[in-house]
Amino acid sequence: DGGITQSPKYLFRKEGQNVTLSCEQNLNHDAMYWYRQDPGQGLRLIYYSQIVNDFQKGDIAEGYSVSREKKESFPLTVTSAQKNPTAFYLCASSMAFNQPQHFGDGTRLSIL
Amino acid sequence: GQQLNQSPQSMFIQEGEDVSMNCTSSSIFNTWLWYKQDPGEGPVLLIALYKAGELTSNGRLTAQFGITRKDSFLNISASIPSDVGIYFCAGQFQETSGSRLTFGEGTQLTVNP
Repeated sequence: DGGITQSPKYLFRKEGQNVTLSCEQNLNHDAMYWYRQDPGQGLRLIYYSQIVNDFQKGDIAEGYSVSREKKESFPLTVTSAQKNPTAFYLCASSMAFNQPQHFGDGTRLSIL
Repeated sequence: GQQLNQSPQSMFIQEGEDVSMNCTSSSIFNTWLWYKQDPGEGPVLLIALYKAGELTSNGRLTAQFGITRKDSFLNISASIPSDVGIYFCAGQFQETSGSRLTFGEGTQLTVNP
């Protein structure tokens, strides 16, 4: 089935450690996005990519990094510089940048 | 930046009742989207609106794109327990550098059987 797959579902990070969240889509979408969701809040944009080999910072990019080497993949690294990483992370994709976004099922990151 | 005010923040209703929620923006959008999020899952697109004044239905759901292009509402008729979840509005405006999607903070819906 076509869709967006995020892994792992749950992830634990130790202090000072970098962790990478996976996002893969087989929808042949050009654009991909990463959002952070905190309890009781809306979605905040971390990074987005309009096309392969290109990406831009969103509203809360500090402490995060991404790559877009393949059309179907947009991994997010939460670095040790992100001091409050505990959150629910959502990946999305859209056919083009101005088209409706479709979401994966998220990764919940917690600090040990 | 653009801001979306979504209301109400939460709603507690009885099964069978109708529900209405809305979003207002400080600026104009040319696309309004409505999503539903179940606990521990990603949001699912319910309805997309592309034209001021547009009224679109998806089963028991009806959404409208406000004529001023600064607001949208979502109605759910004859609610059922599986309607429980968080409903998000999202607005988008095409800029020269590409459009950005702005999300409301969500409406938490609880349906009592």
